[in-house]
Amino acid sequence: QTVVTQEASFSVSPGGTVTLTCGLSSGSVSTTHYPSWYQQTPGQAPRTLIYTTNNRSSGVPDRFSGSILGNKAALTITGAQADDECDYHCVLYMGSGIWVFGGGTKLTVL
Amino acid sequence: QLQLQESGPGLVKPSETLSLTCTVSGGSISSSSYYWGWVRQPPGRGLEWIGSTYYSGSTYYNPSLKSRVTIFVETSKNHFSLKLSSVTAADTAVYYCARLPLYSTLTGYLAFEYWGQGTLVTVSS
Repeated sequence: QTVVTQEASFSVSPGGTVTLTCGLSSGSVSTTHYPSWYQQTPGQAPRTLIYTTNNRSSGVPDRFSGSILGNKAALTITGAQADDECDYHCVLYMGSGIWVFGGGTKLTVL
Repeated sequence: QLQLQESGPGLVKPSETLSLTCTVSGGSISSSSYYWGWVRQPPGRGLEWIGSTYYSGSTYYNPSLKSRVTIFVETSKNHFSLKLSSVTAADTAVYYCARLPLYSTLTGYLAFEYWGQGTLVTVSS
């Protein structure tokens, strides 16, 4: 069974830069997994941040960026702000219509 | 502006079937450009893809749920539905519906694009 891995939690200082990752329990993440990233505040639906590795959804500030770093997909937040403190989810497309989400990362800004 | 709205019972008894509907407004569920999907989130946990469907009726399911899941489109009502049978407490979650654009090299878009607000379903006797 495919498992998508994310850091359970991460911390960043206000104004700092943080990179969250999205990996596979077996193998490497590539652009063919079309990694996408979602931001979720408590009690709210996810908001699409990044699609197809590195494309920002409409209205997403350019301090959010996506990439492939080594064998993982990555979400980098530059100039972290207090309202960036929430959960971040990644999902990978495994082919044949199948999607697998990671467990999510809880980001703290302090 | 596209809107997705989940509806259905908030409480289901163990061993029964969970049934939810996602009503689409501001767009047509019969569009050939999109898939329609369900995602759930148990309390305090991450997201889990349940399955997706196309207006034509083709479906894709999470292998771990496949034996219990049915997703189908009702084009006349502009909505799609989820049925999950033989539920247990482990199926307690917020259930979201979402739209996924059909991939095209023109847009390069393959992701969950729009989300409903979610509905909490509790499995309990």
